[in-house]
Amino acid sequence: QKEVEQNSGPLSVPEGAIASLNCTYSDRGSQSFFWYRQYSGKSPELIMFIYSNGDKEDGRFTAQLNKASQYVSLLIRDSQPSDSATYLCAVKGTGNQFYFGTGTSLTVIP
Amino acid sequence: DTEVTQTPKHLVMGMTNKKSLKCEQHMGHRAMYWYKQKAKKPPELMFVYSYEKLSINESVPSRFSPECPNSSLLNLHLHALQPEDSALYLCASSQERPFSNQPQHFGDGTRLSIL
Repeated sequence: QKEVEQNSGPLSVPEGAIASLNCTYSDRGSQSFFWYRQYSGKSPELIMFIYSNGDKEDGRFTAQLNKASQYVSLLIRDSQPSDSATYLCAVKGTGNQFYFGTGTSLTVIP
Repeated sequence: DTEVTQTPKHLVMGMTNKKSLKCEQHMGHRAMYWYKQKAKKPPELMFVYSYEKLSINESVPSRFSPECPNSSLLNLHLHALQPEDSALYLCASSQERPFSNQPQHFGDGTRLSIL
């Protein structure tokens, strides 16, 4: 079992729709959770981070964390073609462990 | 543009060459990281520096040699690389100690091609 799992996609949504990206993790002691966006050939860009159970909103982005179920998700409202990218989930586990998921490729169709 | 600056953006080198990648941040971050990323794969950790001291080396071959001259600079010296070392090399930094609850901020990366 991988430490962090994401559906590799590709996930396709029409412009204006809500894109839902999911991530599960195996280390129950994980404390911090990060979402990065990576355009093809570019470096990862931090979108959001969340530490506590519940929702955290920033503009069109909402991160949701459920530690009991060991999943974290990212919702993108009013999806735009410019949101088309790979989204990496990253988890800070116990000790000095830090894991990236393999990423979900999102395509927003105009 | 990011607050972590990497140079050069692109590098092509032969297997016998010696070159260096540079990374600079002025955010006062005390943890700095080198990652290697192949196409369609997540970043793979290579080295971690904490307060200018090497704290993690993920069994990286000795043809990669990191250096942290001061708290703002991180270098990666390259020598006798192999074609399979061609990848995007990413530098990142974070506040305080490595892998704290603070996020890592990435530079734009150096695209390295080994001929």
